[in-house]
Amino acid sequence: DVKVTQSSRYLVKRTGEKVFLECVQDMDHENMFWYRQDPGLGLRLIYFSYDVKMKEKGDIPEGYSVSREKKERFSLILESASTNQTSMYLCASSLPKNQPQHFGDGTRLSIL
Amino acid sequence: AQTVTQSQPEMSVQEAETVTLSCTYDTSESNYYLFWYKQPPSRQMILVIRQEAYKQQNATENRFSVNFQKAAKSFSLKISDSQLGDTAMYFCAFMKHNNNDMRFGAGTRLTVKP
Repeated sequence: DVKVTQSSRYLVKRTGEKVFLECVQDMDHENMFWYRQDPGLGLRLIYFSYDVKMKEKGDIPEGYSVSREKKERFSLILESASTNQTSMYLCASSLPKNQPQHFGDGTRLSIL
Repeated sequence: AQTVTQSQPEMSVQEAETVTLSCTYDTSESNYYLFWYKQPPSRQMILVIRQEAYKQQNATENRFSVNFQKAAKSFSLKISDSQLGDTAMYFCAFMKHNNNDMRFGAGTRLTVKP
């Protein structure tokens, strides 16, 4: 079974801090994704990556950046956290093209 | 851009009964994939069922089946013999053919009552 591991289940940070959310997958998947999940809005794509050092903006990239230095690891960075970034963040991975995504447990991030 | 609409924010069903969750989508593509994901209270999203648009036969996975109406752009999920463990958020998702990313609906919170 695919295992997607997010480094924290709960995280509390202060406004203005630089925040790192880490995600690791163990199935050699090419694609990795970061979503935020908010009530009534479903999952919205922040960034995705289809290969090492490659990244594509999703629907809501503002205020976020990503890093993929190794195939198994995809990091989401909040450069200067703000209260409107309080949310649930989900990481996913998949094989290329037409394949379903496999999700981690999520990180509930609170920005105070 | 593709949009996915789930018009039922919350639903409930009695244990052992059948429930149908609705999903509609908007696309100009002719070939694509549709998915239903389940997110139990423990939060990990898991794939329930997948449908390829070029296949007319509705997908089935045990107690879960879909009613795919391509012309109407409708993709509903039927859960038969509902169990307490089916209590979860259910998300409908769309993926264009030869693509990597999905678009999700807002979700339906399903509660199965004993």
